[in-house]
Amino acid sequence: AQTVTQSQPEMSVQEAETVTLSCTYDTSESDYYLFWYKQPPSRQMILVIRQEAYKQQNATENRFSVNFQKAAKSFSLKISDSQLGDAAMYFCAYGLQGGSEKLVFGKGTKLTVNP
Amino acid sequence: DTAVSQTPKYLVTQMGNDKSIKCEQNLGHDTMYWYKQDSKKFLKIMFSYNNKELIINETVPNRFSPKSPDKAHLNLHINSLELGDSAVYFCASSQGVLAGTRTQYFGPGTRLTVL
Repeated sequence: AQTVTQSQPEMSVQEAETVTLSCTYDTSESDYYLFWYKQPPSRQMILVIRQEAYKQQNATENRFSVNFQKAAKSFSLKISDSQLGDAAMYFCAYGLQGGSEKLVFGKGTKLTVNP
Repeated sequence: DTAVSQTPKYLVTQMGNDKSIKCEQNLGHDTMYWYKQDSKKFLKIMFSYNNKELIINETVPNRFSPKSPDKAHLNLHINSLELGDSAVYFCASSQGVLAGTRTQYFGPGTRLTVL
């Protein structure tokens, strides 16, 4: 069974600085997707960024980028120029291509942004 | 316009009661999901429907019964509510098996409190 591990229950960063959130996963499949979702106190689940496993290029969305290391099964999220609005729970998730439609989530990392 | 909506957003009820949560998506997606987020923020899939057909049932008690009257709606009915059912329930949707990156878009969540 696929599992997703986020080893940092909590992280903090100074406003305008850069922070990296870690995620590792376990799978025997070769085709899959990886996602980072953000959950602010409003509890809405917001897609931050996604990565297809067949793509070697790391995904980027404005201040958010990933470091996808397929062989190491690692998928970290880098937030540059952190803003107060980035404070939230961040969840890493795995989805299998062509199989079950479910997402498997990590336990989340709570990010605090200090002014 | 809201993409994935859920009603109600909050639900407080007594043990033993029966309650329903409704979900609607206007994204034209074929697949809809129910996830449960427990008190430790862990998200886990409960059910998935594709074009009104159940495709995932993740060992959920029989007291939980999803119903999909059409592909834009997926409701969750819970019989004989128990204290352990208290959680936030998220509805999500994605494009179907043959399409795209399987990105799931989430509703705002329903916080269920069983007293």
